[in-house]
Amino acid sequence: NAGVMQNPRHLVRRRGQEARLRCSPMKGHSHVYWYRQLPEEGLKFMVYLQKENIIDESGMPKERFSAEFPKEGPSILRIQQVVRGDSAAYFCASSTSGTVTYEQYFGPGTRLTVT
Amino acid sequence: RKEVEQDPGPFNVPEGATVAFNCTYSNSASQSFFWYRQDCRKEPKLLMSVYSSGNEDGRFTAQLNRASQYISLLIRDSKLSDSATYLCVVNGGGSNAGKSTFGDGTTLTVKP
Repeated sequence: NAGVMQNPRHLVRRRGQEARLRCSPMKGHSHVYWYRQLPEEGLKFMVYLQKENIIDESGMPKERFSAEFPKEGPSILRIQQVVRGDSAAYFCASSTSGTVTYEQYFGPGTRLTVT
Repeated sequence: RKEVEQDPGPFNVPEGATVAFNCTYSNSASQSFFWYRQDCRKEPKLLMSVYSSGNEDGRFTAQLNRASQYISLLIRDSKLSDSATYLCVVNGGGSNAGKSTFGDGTTLTVKP
């Protein structure tokens, strides 16, 4: 049973470019979460999605960041016009709705470097 | 005040020591609680869920005190491989069900 998949594992972008990060949840999981971890800091919640729905985006920066989880295919976190401060590890996690406890399982992360 | 607060650490202990981490949370409606471990900025891995009755998994014991809004993790007979950052995680209740709040983590270094 494959775990949470993220790609790419490493992404280098120049300032002003767009970054697209992909996440495929574990089989049977319908909830996806995105987190950001800046260097030397803790994990910060960004957004929580179910298929075709954004449930909670209270942690998303108001501009340049968007996320989707379409009916088919992976969840995408999109960062437009990247700046140096966007350099971080972006982790995706998934959980099933079949339990009230919502244990989350994480992917290996995408390390974004903005030059 | 942060929603989830952990001991700042770092904890440096010798092999074989017993070490305890504490975590407090502010949302009394929180429904579920976990400890994760994160190694060297890799992805967090679920260590154990925390139940009201307390639960044990080998050398690890987790406790929850809902009245005091407090979670703990006890590691007995520490091993070198236990060196990691331990993250306290709290899931919201009601309309926040499914949303997790992570503590900033406590770093443990076990030395020979």
